[in-house]
Amino acid sequence: ETGVTQSPTHLIKTRGQQVTLRCSSQSGHNTVSWYQQALGQGPQFIFQYYREEENGRGNFPPRFSGLQFPNYSSELNVNALELDDSALYLCASSPDRGSWNTEAFFGQGTRLTVV
Amino acid sequence: QQQVKQSPQSLIVQKGGISIINCAYENTAFDYFPWYQQFPGKGPALLIAIRPDVSEKKEGRFTISFNKSAKQFSLHIMDSQPGDSATYFCAATIQGAQKLVFGQGTRLTINP
Repeated sequence: ETGVTQSPTHLIKTRGQQVTLRCSSQSGHNTVSWYQQALGQGPQFIFQYYREEENGRGNFPPRFSGLQFPNYSSELNVNALELDDSALYLCASSPDRGSWNTEAFFGQGTRLTVV
Repeated sequence: QQQVKQSPQSLIVQKGGISIINCAYENTAFDYFPWYQQFPGKGPALLIAIRPDVSEKKEGRFTISFNKSAKQFSLHIMDSQPGDSATYFCAATIQGAQKLVFGQGTRLTINP
């Protein structure tokens, strides 16, 4: 059984650019959540996807968007990057949305730096 | 009301000592309180969790103490080891809700 994998591990982008981060959920997991973790802070919920539909969103602007694919892998897209978007982006998957927050497994994250 | 406040920000403990990290919450609807451990370059990993119908839960050297009336909970690491050096996050959520609300984290260093 493979774990949650994220790619790339590190990324440097210029302000105003767009970025796509990817997440492969753990085998058998149909729910994926994305979190932003700024340096020295706890993770902040961005949104969750369940069976290819957005299933809840945190306090992030619309330039943060996502997708979930039929194989339950997911993408996080951020448009018009700002310096404050520099953070570790975490993906978490779980077997089902009903139990997601008690059985969530996090990936290692993607470190995004915006210059 | 969605905040979880965690203290201290950093903690240094001698090997063999007890590490104690505290968290407080406001939302009385929270009904699940996990603790996560995060090593540098890794994502958070679930360490131990508690529901508010019990006051204490112990797993090996890790214990959660829960005080529902005070809306506080804490993590105790007994016989702390250098391998426990990591950042610890408390969190809170409502069963079935989409998100975990995390504390700010505590960087724990265990000196050999």
